[in-house]
Amino acid sequence: GESVGLHLPTLSVQEGDNSIINCAYSNSASDYFIWYKQESGKGPQFIIDIRSNMDKRQGQRVTVLLNKTVKHLSLQIAATQPGDSAVYFCAENLRSGGFKTIFGAGTRLFVKA
Amino acid sequence: NAGVTQTPKFQVLKTGQSMTLQCAQDMNHNSMYWYRQDPGMGLRLIYYSASEGTTDKGEVPNGYNVSRLNKREFSLRLESAAPSQTSVYFCASSEGALGANVLTFGAGSRLTVL
Repeated sequence: GESVGLHLPTLSVQEGDNSIINCAYSNSASDYFIWYKQESGKGPQFIIDIRSNMDKRQGQRVTVLLNKTVKHLSLQIAATQPGDSAVYFCAENLRSGGFKTIFGAGTRLFVKA
Repeated sequence: NAGVTQTPKFQVLKTGQSMTLQCAQDMNHNSMYWYRQDPGMGLRLIYYSASEGTTDKGEVPNGYNVSRLNKREFSLRLESAAPSQTSVYFCASSEGALGANVLTFGAGSRLTVL
């Protein structure tokens, strides 16, 4: 079936440490992946994306890694800050059958000062 | 630079009442979406409009109707609200519906049905 899931529902890290949020997907037809950040009381916001023809993409303090062999996606946040505390969603986009975006359930990141 | 604006932010309804959630975007995006977010279930697509004049069902359309009023506005209507429709509703928009598809979300509308 089609699913996008997260290995850990919550993650607690110390300020300044690196964070890694994982995501598994099951549909090999997915060709585009996006990470969103949702702060309390707000809508999800785009963080970074990656296409299936790439293994890694870097942004400002964030890196997304894609392992198509095991259908795994991860978001790495360097030098985690209190402002990074939020729920993080991965989403996969399927080209086949028209528009379809599947969101994972989310991982809550707590940053301890 | 408002992005996606939703109204109202909060609403309490009684079972059987009707209401409309409004959404407007100022980014000249072609596609608009309505999602609901329930605890532990992520975001689920209710309806979407790939372009002005078209609407399509998403994953959970039952109990809802939508109207793409123009390119900017996309409303969601609950004709007869049920407690199962208690949720946080998000409107989103994107430049296109197919392929690369980054969504810009509104701040959400929290609906409680008693």
